Amino acid sequence: TQLLEQSPQFLSIQEGENLTVYCNSSSVFSSLQWYRQEPGEGPVLLVTVVTGGEVKKLKRLTFQFGDARKDSSLHITAAQPGDTGLYLCAGAGGRDDKIIFGKGTRLHILP
Amino acid sequence: DAGVIQSPRHEVTEMGQEVTLRCKPISGHNSLFWYRQTMMRGLELLIYFNNNVPIDDSGMPEDRFSAKMPNASFSTLKIQPSEPRDSAVYFCASSPRLALTQYFGPGTRLTVL
Repeated sequence: TQLLEQSPQFLSIQEGENLTVYCNSSSVFSSLQWYRQEPGEGPVLLVTVVTGGEVKKLKRLTFQFGDARKDSSLHITAAQPGDTGLYLCAGAGGRDDKIIFGKGTRLHILP
Repeated sequence: DAGVIQSPRHEVTEMGQEVTLRCKPISGHNSLFWYRQTMMRGLELLIYFNNNVPIDDSGMPEDRFSAKMPNASFSTLKIQPSEPRDSAVYFCASSPRLALTQYFGPGTRLTVL
């Protein structure tokens, strides 16, 4: 059974600080996605990474896919209150390329 | 274009009652997913369809849950009879095909008293 472990589960930091959250697995994924979910809404895709070692940047957010395609990280520079939300990673793999989700990191940026 | 549409947005019912959640996927999307989200268990995949055919229902918790997709533009998730432990937010998502980006609806918040 494929599992995605996200850490930390909760993170509360001051505006302007930097942070990194992680998504780890013992399984190899063909691609990995990061979603952000705000209260009362469904998750919204931020980025998809498909190549081992790939790095993608989205303004102050930097996403990296591990060389072995088993893990990923999300780094936020100079966090802002608008970054508050639940960050979910999702990996596609296995025989039928089904997508599975981690439980998420709940991020709270204090003004 | 309209995104994934779910109804109702909120549902409060009593234990033992039948609950039907509805979903209209994005037009042209071939895959549809039903998820349940709770604080304890996170986002759990219940069932997914490809071209209206159920592919994997291994996430459906028990026989009280059933899902149908009679055509490409409509799906239902039914719980009968409902129990308090079914209280959660239920999301429907669609994608152009499996393993591509999933577009989520706004969810249905279900409370079973």
